[in-house]
Amino acid sequence: ELKVEQNPLFLSMQEGKNYTIYCNYSTTSDRLYWYRQDPGKSLESLFVLLSNGAVKQEGRLMASLDTKARLSTLHITAAVHDLSATYFCGWGAQKLVFGQGTRLTINP
Amino acid sequence: NAGVTQTPKFRILKIGQSMTLQCAQDMNHNYMYWYRQDPGMGLKLIYYSVGAGITDKGEVPNGYNVSRSTTEDFPLRLELAAPSQTSVYFCASRPSASGSNQPQHFGDGTRLSIL
Repeated sequence: ELKVEQNPLFLSMQEGKNYTIYCNYSTTSDRLYWYRQDPGKSLESLFVLLSNGAVKQEGRLMASLDTKARLSTLHITAAVHDLSATYFCGWGAQKLVFGQGTRLTINP
Repeated sequence: NAGVTQTPKFRILKIGQSMTLQCAQDMNHNYMYWYRQDPGMGLKLIYYSVGAGITDKGEVPNGYNVSRSTTEDFPLRLELAAPSQTSVYFCASRPSASGSNQPQHFGDGTRLSIL
């Protein structure tokens, strides 16, 4: 069964700090997605990771993929308030499922 | 580009009524998906399709039906609406090419309340 688990589910942090969101998945597949969702809005694509060891960065966000460990991470560097949102990882080939989401609050 | 278009954006139904949520994409994507998102929760896959004429169940298919007669359209049918189906419904699509770095594109969602 295809399962995706994120942790933590809730994260409150101070501006300027670093933190990591973890995404574990149950079976092998060919790609992993990271999305951002603001309250009342749809999902916005952040990264698509296709292969083992893949690393992508955009601004203060960096995502990586370790297929041997079945783990992806989303690292936040020097957090700013504008990064407050819910972050989802998604996993699968044809059948694509998502983790529970990590609700990130960044306090000034 | 319009991307993924969902209609309606909002709807209130009475218990036992039925309705169809519409989803259309203009990107020629083979793969299409329906998810539901309950308040404060993650996305649950309802149904998905890998091409016209092909559909398959996701994690929470009970109470829903889908069809895929064209590449562009993937409607979701609710029969005998129940309060437990109150949710936000998202449609999504993506290319099928293996190795494609294209993300899954989401529509803006349909907010459905069943009273």
